[in-house]
Amino acid sequence: GAGVSQSPSNKVTEKGKDVELRCDPISGHTALYWYRQSLGQGLEFLIYFQGNSAPDKSGLPSDRFSAERTGGSVSTLTIQRTQQEDSAVYLCASSRMGLTASYNSPLHFGNGTRLTVT
Amino acid sequence: KQEVTQIPAALSVPEGENLVLNCSFTDSAIYNLQWFRQDPGKGLTSLLLIQSSQREQTSGRLNASLDKSSGRSTLYIAASQPGDSATYLCAVNLGGGADGLTFGKGTHLIIQP
Repeated sequence: GAGVSQSPSNKVTEKGKDVELRCDPISGHTALYWYRQSLGQGLEFLIYFQGNSAPDKSGLPSDRFSAERTGGSVSTLTIQRTQQEDSAVYLCASSRMGLTASYNSPLHFGNGTRLTVT
Repeated sequence: KQEVTQIPAALSVPEGENLVLNCSFTDSAIYNLQWFRQDPGKGLTSLLLIQSSQREQTSGRLNASLDKSSGRSTLYIAASQPGDSATYLCAVNLGGGADGLTFGKGTHLIIQP
């Protein structure tokens, strides 16, 4: 597709269950980012991938959160033993190169996955 | 820690007016700054990206300025239209290998027809 695709668009899960969120970046984009947007809050940086490696995992809020990227393309964000405070919109973005590598490499965002933990 | 503040948090103006959205950041050692718009239930759309060496960028009715030394950026929207209604977010990038952007909480803009 032409843009960043995220699935599912909505996910309702029970507290304690594991969830997987998927992101398909724009073809050819080497950099991929995960952000979390909570109600009334700004966007919170979670993790950044350059190719398949994640040089910056500093934003992951706890060890229940993990992410991987395979083939330099699709990425999955996994949340284990979900808690109610995990409820948020999880946004994925990609860019042609990392922001520090190119002057003209804006981020392109998907529409997000709205996660509700009951 | 970099903090990004956007003022006002919400703004409602009649169609046709020119308006200015403000963004300030605490650490002036930024690599670049981006303005985004977010429509309800959607992701973010990049509007303008300004490098630290630049003073402004223009796209159509939008003009973004950057004063890195004072830690400020403004987004100017000329001749506003109802379709401009959205949340506008400012984000700064510190670079230095720590890729990722620090976002403000946004300005919720309503253009009254």
